[in-house]
Amino acid sequence: AQSVTQPDIHITVSEGASLELRCNYSYGATPYLFWYVQSPGQGLQLLLKYFSGDTLVQGIKGFEAEFKRSQSSFNLRKPSVHWSDAAEYFCAVGAGNQGGKLIFGQGTELSVKP
Amino acid sequence: EAGVVQSPRYKIIEKKQPVAFWCNPISGHNTLYWYLQNLGQGPELLIRYENEEAVDDSQLPKDRFSAERLKGVDSTLKIQPAELGDSAVYLCASSLDTSYTGELFFGEGSRLTVL
Repeated sequence: AQSVTQPDIHITVSEGASLELRCNYSYGATPYLFWYVQSPGQGLQLLLKYFSGDTLVQGIKGFEAEFKRSQSSFNLRKPSVHWSDAAEYFCAVGAGNQGGKLIFGQGTELSVKP
Repeated sequence: EAGVVQSPRYKIIEKKQPVAFWCNPISGHNTLYWYLQNLGQGPELLIRYENEEAVDDSQLPKDRFSAERLKGVDSTLKIQPAELGDSAVYLCASSLDTSYTGELFFGEGSRLTVL
């Protein structure tokens, strides 16, 4: 069965510092991977997605993620964090044989220190 | 273009009472999803519609939950009777089609508190 693990429940970084959020997945075939962001009281917004090709994908708001098949990982990165990046971040894997069904991780809450 | 609209945003009820949530997807989006998000957890799929047909409702607790999508547009999710454990955020999402490469657009959610 497909699953997603986000090992870090909560991360705090200083504004301007770099960020890396970890995501590990379990899926028998080529995964379709996503990162979503959720601000307080808001719905989820897609940051980026990986289906195939270049393993480094660029997203909105200056985020990028790298797919590493050997490590079953899809970590999200940003070189310089802004205070407005404080939010909950969810990694998800698409269950390819089940239409658009997404399996989400538990999420990582990001706090940004001034 | 309007996004996915959900109502009500917040609902507080006593246990054993019924409750209903409404979702209006993005115009032209054939696929509609209801997700359950418990506090501190990622969303979990409850039901997925392709047009007016429920094609995946395996995670929907059918003894108390029901959903419908009349005319393949708006959808309603109902709980009757509600239990304390149903307190959560109910998210609606839509996409153009059922391709797993498609982006899901989420509404702001309906937060339910059962007392």
